[in-house]
Amino acid sequence: DAGITQSPRHKVTETGTPVTLRCHQTENHRYMYWYRQDPGHGLRLIHYSYGVKDTDKGEVSDGYSVSRSKTEDFLLTLESATSSQTSVYFCAIKANYGYTFGSGTRLTVV
Amino acid sequence: AQSVTQLGSHVSVSEGALVLLRCNYSSSVPPYLFWYVQYPNQGLQLLLKYTTGATLVKGINGFEAEFKKSETSFHLTKPSAHMSDAAEYFCAVSDLPQGGSEKLVFGKGMKLTVNP
Repeated sequence: DAGITQSPRHKVTETGTPVTLRCHQTENHRYMYWYRQDPGHGLRLIHYSYGVKDTDKGEVSDGYSVSRSKTEDFLLTLESATSSQTSVYFCAIKANYGYTFGSGTRLTVV
Repeated sequence: AQSVTQLGSHVSVSEGALVLLRCNYSSSVPPYLFWYVQYPNQGLQLLLKYTTGATLVKGINGFEAEFKKSETSFHLTKPSAHMSDAAEYFCAVSDLPQGGSEKLVFGKGMKLTVNP
C-alpha cells in the first residue's frame, strides 16, 4: 500500500459553502491526482500535481481548485459547493509500480 | 489525447462461465494499459497492467488481458467466474512520460454480476 490517506471519509455540506478535501501520502511520490466517480461516468480527472506548487487541470476542473505546498499533501477545494458536486472523490498517486488510489471521500451537497 | 471505450455498462454471467470484459483505447503514443476492480463501497484495486514486453498479462484472482495493438484493444478475461468476482471493472490508459502529463484516463466501467 502506498500509504494514501483521504480525509474526511464522509461529509455532508450545504450548497454555497466551501469544502476542502485532503489527500496525504507517506512515500514522497511526485505525481498526485484527484478524481471524482459518478455512476455512468467512471472516474474523471479533476486536477493533478507533478510536484510542489506544480498543478494542472483535468477534464472536469470547473468549480474546483487545488494546492500542493508540501510533497505529501494535495488539497482539493470546492470554493462554493453545488449539488452537482455530490460525488465520491478519490485521490491517487503514481508510483513505479503503477497508480494507487485512496479509499475515497463521499461528499454530499444538500 | 487518450480515451477508453468500454461498451455497455453491465454484464451478467453464470458461476463457472467465461468472463470477457472488452476495452478499446485510443492513444497517439504507445500506451500503458490497466484494469482496476472496485468492490461495493470500496476503493480501486489494480488487477493487472501492460507497459511493455509480453502482450499477454496475468493479474490477480485468475484474470488476464491481452494487448492487441492492431485492434487497439485490451480485453479482460477469466476462464471461470466465481461469485466473489462480482464487482465493477474499469479499464484505463496512460501515456508514456511526456511533458509531465502522466494522467490516467478511465473508461466508464462495467458492472459484473455472477449468477449462481
